[in-house]
Formats: sequence, C-alpha cells, structure tokens
Amino acid sequence: SAVISQKPSRDICQRGTSLTIQCQVDSQVTMMFWYRQQPGQSLTLIATANQGSEATYESGFVIDKFPISRPNLTFSTLTVSNMSPEDSSIYLCSVRIIRGPHSGYTFGSGTRLTVV
Amino acid sequence: TQLLEQSPQFLSIQEGENLTVYCNSSSVFSSLQWYRQEPGEGPVLLVTVVTGGEVKKLKRLTFQFGDARKDSSLHITAAQPGDTGLYLCAGALNFGNEKLTFGTGTRLTIIP
Repeated sequence: SAVISQKPSRDICQRGTSLTIQCQVDSQVTMMFWYRQQPGQSLTLIATANQGSEATYESGFVIDKFPISRPNLTFSTLTVSNMSPEDSSIYLCSVRIIRGPHSGYTFGSGTRLTVV
Repeated sequence: TQLLEQSPQFLSIQEGENLTVYCNSSSVFSSLQWYRQEPGEGPVLLVTVVTGGEVKKLKRLTFQFGDARKDSSLHITAAQPGDTGLYLCAGALNFGNEKLTFGTGTRLTIIP
C-alpha cells in the first residue's frame, strides 16, 4: 500500500499569515484528498486534488482560502491562507489504496496547526 | 446534517470487557470502511465491507455491514489497552466515486 510523507507535523502560526502543507506519496496516484479534523472530532473533506486539473472543493471551502497544487502524480500541497484562530485544526492528506472492491484509504500523519 | 452517526461518542471500559460501536445512516453505501486513529497519527484502515450482511473478523474485532447497506457495527471481544483510540466509520456512496463520508467518531478508552 502507498506510504505518505506529510510535513510539517505541526506548526504555530500568527493570524494573517499562510502555511503550506506538503504531501509526498511513494507511488503515483490519480487523486489526492485533503481533510480537516477538529481536535477529537471526525474528518471533513476539504477538496480533491487531481493532477493536471483544478482541485474540486467541497461546500464551505474555497480556493482562495485553501489553494491546492498538484504538480505531479506523487505530490500535492495545501495552503491555509490568511489564517485565523478558527483555522486551528489537524490537516490530513489521503490517497486510495487499490484492492478492488475492498479498497480503502491511507493517510498522512497529519499537520497540527495552531493559529495565535 | 451528518450522514453517518456513530454511537456511542465516548466509551471507557475495563480491560477484558466486550464492546460494540455502531455506525448508522439513512443513506445506502456501496462500501463502508472502519479506521482507527491514534493521537498524532492519521487514521489507519481496519476493514472494508461491501456486501449487505457481510461479516468480517480481524482477530478480536468483528465487523458487520447491515443487510440494507445503511449501517455497520464493530464488536471488540476482550478489549485490551492497545485498542484505545478514535474509531471512525466511513462510507462511499457510489462505486467509482472515491469521495468518503466519515462518521462522527467513537473515542474508546480501555482501562488496564
């Protein structure tokens, strides 16, 4: 199954600044998914990143706030722009593990962001 | 509106006891997955179920997919401290649609 390296693992940022999170996958994948997880809570999908096209954003998330890059089939970045304390959360990237109908997903270890 | 509701939200039991976590929805899912997440890590896939009524066993963990593919359960026998974590169910609405909807989560603590 794919292995994802995500960085940074954590950061403390000043409000109004931006942070770029990187995910590197050890194999080529068509889609990468970016999630947000409030502490102790479930995961909410931010967007789906496709190589060669613009990312597809979920309701409540916009490109100006969360720009995504997908320059090749093994790498993606998510930027959290003009941060406020409400953006404090864990951000995770994910790719699908292909096992036929029993596929699942593998996740990066997450980026814990605190905005002060 | 949360598509997948998990219960209980929190569960704290003694080592050796049995427990069941439920994942319920009004929507039909083509497949449903269970993940466990530990602090500082991403969720780790435990199992995927795709057939209504399907039962899968993973050592002391038993997973069941409802006949109508709207609900699922996770049963742990003789819980151990290593089972502690956040358990998440996640469903895919359509085959070929890779987007997952995650459940509300169950935080499990096993007391030694």
